Amino acid sequence: AQSVSQHNHHVILSEAASLELGCNYSYGGTVNLFWYVQYPGQHLQLLLKYFSGDPLVKGIKGFEAEFIKSKFSFNLRKPSVQWSDTAEYFCAVNRRFGNEKLTFGTGTRLTIIP
Amino acid sequence: DSGVTQTPKHLITATGQRVTLRCSPRSGDLSVYWYQQSLDQGLQFLIQYYNGEERAKGNILERFSAQQFPDLHSELNLSSLELGDSALYFCASSVENWGAPNEQFFGPGTRLTVL
Repeated sequence: AQSVSQHNHHVILSEAASLELGCNYSYGGTVNLFWYVQYPGQHLQLLLKYFSGDPLVKGIKGFEAEFIKSKFSFNLRKPSVQWSDTAEYFCAVNRRFGNEKLTFGTGTRLTIIP
Repeated sequence: DSGVTQTPKHLITATGQRVTLRCSPRSGDLSVYWYQQSLDQGLQFLIQYYNGEERAKGNILERFSAQQFPDLHSELNLSSLELGDSALYFCASSVENWGAPNEQFFGPGTRLTVL
């Protein structure tokens, strides 16, 4: 069975600081990887996704993530965070093909201090 | 706006009651997924439908059921409600793209409060 681990439960940063949120997954086959963001009181929005190809993917709002297959990791990064990035961030995985369910990590709550 | 709609936005009900949550997928999407988000369980997959047929089941309680109608909208029925069923219920949809991966688009969710 697939599983996703997000080790940072709550991260607090000052504006302009750099961000890296960890995500590790457990699955023996080929996967799709996603980062979703949930702003307070809102629904899940896709930040970025990795299907295949270049392991460094760029998403919306200046976010990027790097897929490291050997480490089963897909960490999310942003060089300079803003107060508006305050939200909860979820890493998710599903099998490469088959239009299958997403398995989510427990989420990381990010608080940006102005 | 993802194109996925869910009604109602909020639902407050009492223990033992039955409620129905509704989801309309994006135009053209045949797959509908239901997820539950709660403080103690996180985001968990409940059930998936594809073109009217159940395709996959996750951690869905026997008190819960779902269906997808010919117009592709889906309903999640929750019965004999318990306090622990209070959660945010998300619906997502995706296009069927055989042989290629795709992403799921999420609706705004229905917040269920059981008193």
